[in-house]
Amino acid sequence: DAKTTQPPSMDCAEGRAANLPCNHSTISGNEYVYWYRQIHSQGPQYIIHGLKNNETNEMASLIITEDRKSSTLILPHATLRDTAVYYCIVHGSSNTGKLIFGQGTTLQVKP
Amino acid sequence: DTAVSQTPKYLVTQMGNDKSIKCEQNLGHDTMYWYKQDSKKFLKIMFSYNNKELIINETVPNRFSPKSPDKAHLNLHINSLELGDSAVYFCASSQGTGYAGELFFGEGSRLTVL
Repeated sequence: DAKTTQPPSMDCAEGRAANLPCNHSTISGNEYVYWYRQIHSQGPQYIIHGLKNNETNEMASLIITEDRKSSTLILPHATLRDTAVYYCIVHGSSNTGKLIFGQGTTLQVKP
Repeated sequence: DTAVSQTPKYLVTQMGNDKSIKCEQNLGHDTMYWYKQDSKKFLKIMFSYNNKELIINETVPNRFSPKSPDKAHLNLHINSLELGDSAVYFCASSQGTGYAGELFFGEGSRLTVL
């Protein structure tokens, strides 16, 4: 079972920031938070991951609360091509690629 | 250049047949995976190989047999196909230790069993 909880769907206006929340209240100290997305009919795509510090890359920012029980993925300027299912995954380094995908959040970016 | 490529992309076959899906990665990764996405869109790991050695084998019927001839290839052979095997099968690869959660997925192979 997935160890994360995400809203099933969200809308965002094109050009605005998309903030996708995730709850992971049972996360362990050695587990990372990973985000993936799956654009329709494509394979999942890695976005970003973090342990406890906030992270930023060319795709997104990841904000993790101090208690690590929740996080937010931020797409700073959403485009129509960002419409996808976004998965928040808690993953320990010992689990070697065994990602537990939940249902994710379907983000619809609207013009 | 496609990093993780799968063939075929689409496969339609009859119940009882045997079929294979091939996967190749050109990223130089040590670990490769097969994931299955069912009709309800749940993605679940099936197998993982590290340097041609099986390291993850989830509860998958033994009609499914992965084969890794070298670390750049991981094929999936399915015997005696059943209706419930209809799904999209994704191959993935990762660098391994230290990048355990950063997987690169292929585009998927949609299998339809009639």
